[in-house]
Amino acid sequence: KQEVTQIPAALSVPEGENLVLNCSFTDSAIYNLQWFRQDPGKGLTSLLLIQSSQREQTSGRLNASLDKSSGRSTLYIAASQPGDSATYLCAVRPVGGGNKLTFGTGTQLKVEL
Amino acid sequence: EAGVVQSPRYKIIEKKQPVAFWCNPISGHNTLYWYRQNLGQGPELLIRYENEEAVDDSQLPKDRFSAERLKGVDSTLKIQPAELGDSAVYLCASNSGLGMNTEAFFGQGTRLTVV
Repeated sequence: KQEVTQIPAALSVPEGENLVLNCSFTDSAIYNLQWFRQDPGKGLTSLLLIQSSQREQTSGRLNASLDKSSGRSTLYIAASQPGDSATYLCAVRPVGGGNKLTFGTGTQLKVEL
Repeated sequence: EAGVVQSPRYKIIEKKQPVAFWCNPISGHNTLYWYRQNLGQGPELLIRYENEEAVDDSQLPKDRFSAERLKGVDSTLKIQPAELGDSAVYLCASNSGLGMNTEAFFGQGTRLTVV
């Protein structure tokens, strides 16, 4: 059974700092990995989707990497801003999992002024 | 283009009462999901539809939960009767269903509180 872990569970950084969020998964047989942002009381906003054949994806200040063989992904946020404060979730689409996502528990990020 | 639309946004009910949630996926998306997210946890799949067919409902507590997707578009998720432990955020998501490498899009969710 695929399990997804995210560490740390919570992170607080000063504004302007570069930071890395980690995601690990137990089974490397995945189609893709998706990073989401969730604001309090809100739904999930898709940030980046990395196909299993890709190593990284970039969108603005965000860069996500994927090392499928080791079961790891990172989300790099450059020059963090208070508006980046949210919970960040990673999810994998396992091969043979029937087109569904398996989520981690998220990293709660707070960027302080 | 409108995203995934869910209603209501919030619902407070007493235990043993029924409740229903509604979802309108992105136009043209064949695959629709209902997820449940408990506080401090990641979402967990309840049921997945491919068009009108429920193809994965193994995690749906069928004694009290039911879902339907008439005409392969909108979907409703119902709980009857609700229990205290059902308090959670219920998220609807959709993707185009065209292969396994498509992006999933989520609605704003319905936060259910059972008192």
